[in-house]
Amino acid sequence: GEDVEQSLFLSVREGDSSVINCTYTDSSSTYLYWYKQEPGAGLQLLTYIFSNMDMKQDQRLTVLLNKKDKHLSLRIADTQTGDSAIYFCAETPPTGRRALTFGSGTRLQVQP
Amino acid sequence: ETGVTQSPTHLIKTRGQQVTLRCSSQSGHNTVSWYQQALGQGPQFIFQYYREEENGRGNFPPRFSGLQFPNYSSELNVNALELDDSALYLCASSAATGVRYEQYFGPGTRLTVT
Repeated sequence: GEDVEQSLFLSVREGDSSVINCTYTDSSSTYLYWYKQEPGAGLQLLTYIFSNMDMKQDQRLTVLLNKKDKHLSLRIADTQTGDSAIYFCAETPPTGRRALTFGSGTRLQVQP
Repeated sequence: ETGVTQSPTHLIKTRGQQVTLRCSSQSGHNTVSWYQQALGQGPQFIFQYYREEENGRGNFPPRFSGLQFPNYSSELNVNALELDDSALYLCASSAATGVRYEQYFGPGTRLTVT
């Protein structure tokens, strides 16, 4: 079945780069997503990557996909205190209802 | 462009009661998905509605049911509430064409069952 795994916690200093990692098991996953959730809030779509790509850059965000190892990462450059949140990796299959399967989330703490 | 909205924001119910949660999809979106997020966990897919019909369901019992209306808004109904139903319920909308892989979430409804 589908499974998405993430490390639970990451702490960085303001101005450093953050790298959040995710592994998934479904080799047929078509799209892989990164969502951000701040305390008491819903999920904000940050970026996503199609499975035939290996990298996508969007301002301070860089997504890397290693399809062979089923490994996805999100790099945040020049991390700010406002980036403190929980980050979820998610995947969706190529056909059908396109339900998102989420990991448990990585809590990013940015120290001033 | 209006984003996804949900109501109510918070709700407290007693075990055994029934609850209805509401969601208005983003303008131009005709697909609505519902997710349950227990404390400290990632969201779990409940079901999806497309053109007023259920278009897939996750591993949730039949006491979780839903509706989609002609204006693409949606309701999630939960009967015979259990303590474990306490969670944040999230609604997400997406388009059927074009950027249909982008799902946008509302702020959620926090349900507490006592």
